[in-house]
Amino acid sequence: NAGVTQTPKFQVLKTGQSMTLQCAQDMNHEYMSWYRQDPGMGLRLIHYSVGAGITDQGEVPNGYNVSRSTTEDFPLRLLSAAPSQTSVYFCASSRLAGAGELFFGEGSRLTVL
Amino acid sequence: AQKVTQAQTEISVVEKEDVTLDCVYETRDTTYYLFWYKQPPSGELVFLIRRNSFDEQNEISGRYSWNFQKSTSSFNFTITASQVVDSAVYFCALSEPYYGNNRLAFGKGNQVVVIP
Repeated sequence: NAGVTQTPKFQVLKTGQSMTLQCAQDMNHEYMSWYRQDPGMGLRLIHYSVGAGITDQGEVPNGYNVSRSTTEDFPLRLLSAAPSQTSVYFCASSRLAGAGELFFGEGSRLTVL
Repeated sequence: AQKVTQAQTEISVVEKEDVTLDCVYETRDTTYYLFWYKQPPSGELVFLIRRNSFDEQNEISGRYSWNFQKSTSSFNFTITASQVVDSAVYFCALSEPYYGNNRLAFGKGNQVVVIP
C-alpha cells in the first residue's frame, strides 16, 4: 500500500522561482490537505479539499495555490518562492473530513535561497 | 476560532519514568474531535488516537493512556514507563467538522526526550 506519496522529498529554489509539490493518495479519500511545519510552530494548515473540484484556504494560504481535479491528486503550487516559504511540507488525506484520522505523506523539505 | 495549547515545549525524562503531556483546547461547539499524533526523529507523522466530544471515557493502550476532561477542556496524554523509542514530538489536534469547518488545528507540539 502506497498510502500518501509526496514528491519531491527535497528541493532547493531561488527566490522568485515557482514549483509544484505533488501529492497523491491511493485510498480513495475525499479529504486532502497541505500543512507546513516550522520549528516551534507546529503544523499549520495551508489549503485543504473536501473532494474533487472543491478547495478552501487554511491558516496560512498566502503564496500558495492548489487545485483538485481528481480524487487522487492534490498538488501545491508555489507561484513565486520566498525565503519565508522555507519549511517542511506535509500532505495528508482522510476518509472523513475533519473527523477522521489523517494519513500523512513523508514530507517535502523545501529551501528557498 | 480553534485553539490548541501544548504549554510544555520540551520534556526530558529518564527511561522508565512516566511523562504526561498536557493539551488544552478552546472550541465554540459541543461536537468536536480531538487527536494525538506522534512524530519520531525520522520525521513521519503517526496517528495515535481520536476522541469525539461525547466520549469522555479514558483510554489505555499499552503504555499509553489518555485523560479527556470536557469540564477543563483538556485531553492529556501519559506515557507510562517511558522508553527511548518514545522520544518524539507529540501533537494534539482539534477539529469541529459539524460547523463545516474541516480544518484540523494542531498545537505546537511537545518534544519528549527519553534519556537512557
